[in-house]
Amino acid sequence: NAGVTQTPKFQVLKTGQSMTLQCAQDMNHEYMSWYRQDPGMGLRLIHYSVGAGITDQGEVPNGYNVSRSTTEDFPLRLLSAAPSQTSVYFCASSPDARGGETQYFGPGTRLLVL
Amino acid sequence: GQNIDQPTEMTATEGAIVQINCTYQTSGFNGLFWYQQHAGEAPTFLSYNVLDGLEEKGRFSSFLSRSKGYSYLLLKELQMKDSASYLCAADNYGQNFVFGPGTRLSVLP
Repeated sequence: NAGVTQTPKFQVLKTGQSMTLQCAQDMNHEYMSWYRQDPGMGLRLIHYSVGAGITDQGEVPNGYNVSRSTTEDFPLRLLSAAPSQTSVYFCASSPDARGGETQYFGPGTRLLVL
Repeated sequence: GQNIDQPTEMTATEGAIVQINCTYQTSGFNGLFWYQQHAGEAPTFLSYNVLDGLEEKGRFSSFLSRSKGYSYLLLKELQMKDSASYLCAADNYGQNFVFGPGTRLSVLP
């Protein structure tokens, strides 16, 4: 099993550009989520999904879109990049959408918006 | 609202014992996770407490008091490789986690 994979590992964008961060898992997990991590602020939930076709907003959803067309994939789209979106982005998955199980994290994508 | 608090930084000596505290106020609380995160890497799972009390796992133990909204992670026989950030996270009904800001632990020789 590859676990949770994320691409790209690093990305530099200009203000106003759009892009998609890719996330995939091969563990048949129901629950998938996107976090951003900024210094001193821990992990903040952007969007999450409890199964294919179902997504919901987390704590900081503005400026981001997600979709979950398959169990395996959960891409995160930045609609119009802003310097405030400079961060490290982690995708995670968990076997049970009801909770009570750990999340498994991907290696992260480091994004710089100029 | 939801709030989780941890000390920002801690320092300890190799071979010593350190306790990292976490206090939380969340709605729909199910349990509490602890994760370890080395610099530049992803968080990895350490422990999960649902019931009150102490759970021991080798050099690491975790404690939970649901009535007090309090947890701690205890690290014994500290090693240099334990230098990392430690994140507590509340597992809430409704399928989302709320993370604390993380505690950066430095282990000195």
